[in-house]
Amino acid sequence: GAVVSQHPSRVICKSGTSVKIECRSLDFQATTMFWYRQFPKQSLMLMATSNEGSKATYEQGVEKDKFLINHASLTLSTLTVTSAHPEDSSFYICSAQGRSNQPQHFGDGTRLSIL
Amino acid sequence: GENVEQHPSTLSVQEGDSAVIKCTYSDSASNYFPWYKQELGKRPQLIIDIRSNVGEKKDQRIAVTLNKTAKHFSLHITETQPEDSAVYFCAASIRGNTPLVFGKGTRLSVIA
Repeated sequence: GAVVSQHPSRVICKSGTSVKIECRSLDFQATTMFWYRQFPKQSLMLMATSNEGSKATYEQGVEKDKFLINHASLTLSTLTVTSAHPEDSSFYICSAQGRSNQPQHFGDGTRLSIL
Repeated sequence: GENVEQHPSTLSVQEGDSAVIKCTYSDSASNYFPWYKQELGKRPQLIIDIRSNVGEKKDQRIAVTLNKTAKHFSLHITETQPEDSAVYFCAASIRGNTPLVFGKGTRLSVIA
């Protein structure tokens, strides 16, 4: 149980392109989803927290107009990197949590490469 | 906010030996402490977690200890195997819908 699916797994695109990443909880309802970014050989850095039906809460230093997060249902959250630039290249990972006392479960991640 | 420190950053052990990774946290309100294992290019996988009302938890070769007074917790892996080689992250959070704060990770290498 507790499977989280993330797509796409890999994206390579030109600078200026907008990229959408989907995160789905397949066998449970995720009241909260988290989006992390991980640079090579570094830890997971929280970007934002999203609760179903409400606006995402962004961490300090994360531009909400650049990283658009939508959590329209209890099983789907999307992260859109708008007008991506080479410095946005990174490994983006979502995690989902059911009830408040349950662990977070991670998706497989999306490796984004902006040329 | 919460700050999690993790040591060591790299650890090499001989197969069959034990490995210990230590973390400290700053927010005394934190009460949930999971450990994740991440292999290269893959998702972090929860391997064990502990809540603040418990001092120790064990699952086969893996154990976690928690000292709330000192605000530190540790991961212990016994009888290490080459497949234990990975990056291990500790994390802390206040139960509820608060995000996990991760340590910087420990790269464990088990040498056959």
